[in-house]
Amino acid sequence: QVQLQESGPGLVKPSGTLSLTCAVSGGSISSSNWWSWVRQPPGKGLEWIGEIYHSGSTNYNPSLKSRVTISVDKSKNQFSLKLSSVTAADTAVYYCARGEIAAAGTSTYYFDYWGQGTLVTVSS
Amino acid sequence: DIQMTQSPSSLSASVGDRVTITCRASQSISSYLNWYQQKPGKAPKLLIYAASSLQSGVPSRFSGSGSGTDFTLTISSLQPEDFATYYCQQSYSTPRTFGQGTRLEIK
Repeated sequence: QVQLQESGPGLVKPSGTLSLTCAVSGGSISSSNWWSWVRQPPGKGLEWIGEIYHSGSTNYNPSLKSRVTISVDKSKNQFSLKLSSVTAADTAVYYCARGEIAAAGTSTYYFDYWGQGTLVTVSS
Repeated sequence: DIQMTQSPSSLSASVGDRVTITCRASQSISSYLNWYQQKPGKAPKLLIYAASSLQSGVPSRFSGSGSGTDFTLTISSLQPEDFATYYCQQSYSTPRTFGQGTRLEIK
């Protein structure tokens, strides 16, 4: 059973950089999956931030692309998120999730495993 | 970006009711549409993928249909544990976008 666990500071100052790590257990980060970050502001909906493949290939949400970096550490079986120049609007629960490609060569892709989420508050 | 619009935004229903939630994409996404259930304080849970395929372990009272731009999630007979918020999500292209959610409440 694959498990994902987010970790990182729960409080970040405005204009600072938010840094989170997602540790993967019960499976290999080098499997044929994409690894995503999704966030949810308090009381609001879900927003996809971006994803990484074990090769290092990334896709980012254009709305955040200038501020986001997602990286992978295969030796530690984990991947990370950095979001720079944060403001109060970046306050949210941040989830990591596994993207499963159900059929190669198609766009049949879904998030089948999620971390429990971690609340990050941007405040001075 | 592909915009996903769900309706209704909220819905009140009773145990045993049949409920349908709709999701519309701003352009055709073939059948690349997933549905998730989220309960307060919990991560989303995958219910349906590829518009109509039931995820392993999900009760058969959940079903999905549609293709192109219009999709539906149906719960055939509501159970107490089904009261939650439901999201659709397209996987046709990046950025991977979600609907705004449908909150299903007890009447």
